[in-house]
Amino acid sequence: EIVLTQSPATLSLSPGERATLSCRASQSVSSYLVWYQQKPGQAPRLLIYDSSNRATGIPARFSGSGSGTDFTLTISSLEPEDFAVYYCQQRSNWPLTFGGGTKVEIK
Amino acid sequence: QVQLVESGGGVVQPGRSLRLSCVAAGFTLSNCAMTWVRQAPGKGLEWVAVISYDGSNEYYAESVKGRFTISRDNSKNTLYLQMKSLRAEDTAVYYCARDARPYGDYHYFDFWGQGTLVTVSS
Repeated sequence: EIVLTQSPATLSLSPGERATLSCRASQSVSSYLVWYQQKPGQAPRLLIYDSSNRATGIPARFSGSGSGTDFTLTISSLEPEDFAVYYCQQRSNWPLTFGGGTKVEIK
Repeated sequence: QVQLVESGGGVVQPGRSLRLSCVAAGFTLSNCAMTWVRQAPGKGLEWVAVISYDGSNEYYAESVKGRFTISRDNSKNTLYLQMKSLRAEDTAVYYCARDARPYGDYHYFDFWGQGTLVTVSS
């Protein structure tokens, strides 16, 4: 099973700041890495697929990069609605696995 | 407008069974791979099971293999998760979700239901 490790667990930032979230895989997942956003009481929302492709309707301030085992989700300038938990997911191997999440909170 | 609505959750005793349903609207279920993902209270996401778009393949997490069965009734545009021999650790919100692209098995998910809570407790 591929283990995804997200860091940091919590990121405390102010609106307007840049957020950099990391997801590291225990073995290569090529570019088959996906990012989701989840707000309290809501279902996850697809942000980025295959490392760097924004899903439909996702603002350009969200970007993804990486390949192999190291991936990054960047939010260029945090908006109030971006404070949430972010999960990565690999679709390279069975079983599908998720990272433990990074909470982006208001400083 | 794409919608997924789960139902069937509730409180169930350990060892008992439960069947979850997920009714799809706004798209043709038979064109898409579908999955179940769960989230224990205050915890992260855990993938549970997936069924391929043509129904020919099913995959399960080790934690539920042999106890859970994913299926679909395309005539009713409904996805199911039959859960047997339930354990306390199966307590979670269960989400159904749609594969992001039709006619293939891409295994990332663009529409999610709002979830149904399953509580396994005596």
